[in-house]
Amino acid sequence: QEKVQQSPESLIVPEGAMSSLNCTFSNSASQSIWWYQQHPGKGPEALISIFSNGNKKEGRLTVYLNRASLHVSLHIRDSQPSDSAVYLCAVIITGNTGKLIFGLGTTLQVQP
Amino acid sequence: EAAVTQSPRNKVTVTGGNVTLSCRQTNSHNYMYWYRQDTGHGLRLIHYSYGAGNLQIGDVPDGYKATRTTQEDFFLLLELASPSQTSLYFCASSDAEGARDTQYFGPGTRLLVL
Repeated sequence: QEKVQQSPESLIVPEGAMSSLNCTFSNSASQSIWWYQQHPGKGPEALISIFSNGNKKEGRLTVYLNRASLHVSLHIRDSQPSDSAVYLCAVIITGNTGKLIFGLGTTLQVQP
Repeated sequence: EAAVTQSPRNKVTVTGGNVTLSCRQTNSHNYMYWYRQDTGHGLRLIHYSYGAGNLQIGDVPDGYKATRTTQEDFFLLLELASPSQTSLYFCASSDAEGARDTQYFGPGTRLLVL
């Protein structure tokens, strides 16, 4: 069974700082990696996904994927208080019919 | 933007009770999913479907039934609810099942089984 581990469990950063979140997965056949954001009382919302080794940038978000080390990171530039939320890393394994396997999440708090 | 709605938003029942959670999506997505979210376990897939009348078993299906009546509607049934099923339940939908297809989540239903 695929395992997805996230670190740190919680992160506090000042407004304007860079937030860096990490995720490791156990299956090198993981086809895609997704980051979801979940605010209290809401459902998860897809932020960004990556399929190929390397990096992908969308606005203030940058994702780095290293398949050899089974590691992916999410970096949020110029963090804002509205970014405070739980960030969930999820993987889809090749041939697993779109099934998302989630990590436990990182709670980000951005202090004004 | 995909729209997924769930009802009820909160539900309290007793052990042995019968509960139905409802989910509707309005974007004609083919795939619909039921997850539960628990502290220490994260989000786990219960059942999913790729069309009306279809049902696929997820990772934690025991104690749950599901039914997809239309393209839009997906129901989760707990016929003999137990306290271990106290959880936050999310429905999601996606257009296809590929690795590049975004899953859109509903707002969740909080279920308490006494």
